[in-house]
Amino acid sequence: QQQVKQSPQSLIVQKGGISIINCAYENTAFDYFPWYQQFPGKGPALLIAIRPDVSEKKEGRFTISFNKSAKQFSLHIMDSQPGDSATYFCAARPSLGYTGNQFYFGTGTSLTVIP
Amino acid sequence: DSGVTQTPKHLITATGQRVTLRCSPRSGDLSVYWYQQSLDQGLQFLIQYYNGEERAKGNILERFSAQQFPDLHSELNLSSLELGDSALYFCASSVAGTHEQYFGPGTRLTVT
Repeated sequence: QQQVKQSPQSLIVQKGGISIINCAYENTAFDYFPWYQQFPGKGPALLIAIRPDVSEKKEGRFTISFNKSAKQFSLHIMDSQPGDSATYFCAARPSLGYTGNQFYFGTGTSLTVIP
Repeated sequence: DSGVTQTPKHLITATGQRVTLRCSPRSGDLSVYWYQQSLDQGLQFLIQYYNGEERAKGNILERFSAQQFPDLHSELNLSSLELGDSALYFCASSVAGTHEQYFGPGTRLTVT
């Protein structure tokens, strides 16, 4: 069972446009929600992360919006650039009271930014 | 560069064989995690070690095992390999008590 559902599977955006990737979860014990960026042949790299006590976090052109009541969070990439073309994964982690520190990953979104 | 190293980068082997993947965590990180990434399954958590002890187990097959050594490097052993084990295997590490996980470059395993 997929604990974190991610959509869309692929996304094509024009340069300068806004890329939006959505994720949803069910487990209310999740309390940490990172986004990872992965380029071909590389490992996932931490991009930005949010805790559920805030509704939005912004770092440069990347923003996470978090809706605790709806159990959804999304990544917005403003002014998308060709260099942003990569696969993006959302993830969620239960609170530290849980055994371990494992992440549950979404299935990934392949983003292509057209020049 | 995340500071996590993995060897080998590529591995090609036959069905039924056994292989060992190696991971060195970032300096100071006590936790090591192993993930499998395949095209149809995405990133799947396999197992976590913290300071030499198993901390959490995910969807790890009985044919797979791991360990973390006193110098904190970790090895993932895959035995009786099947075609379906072909995937990218990632190691990640984190500092104890924090959330951020840093991934290595991965090992691409091809079973023929």
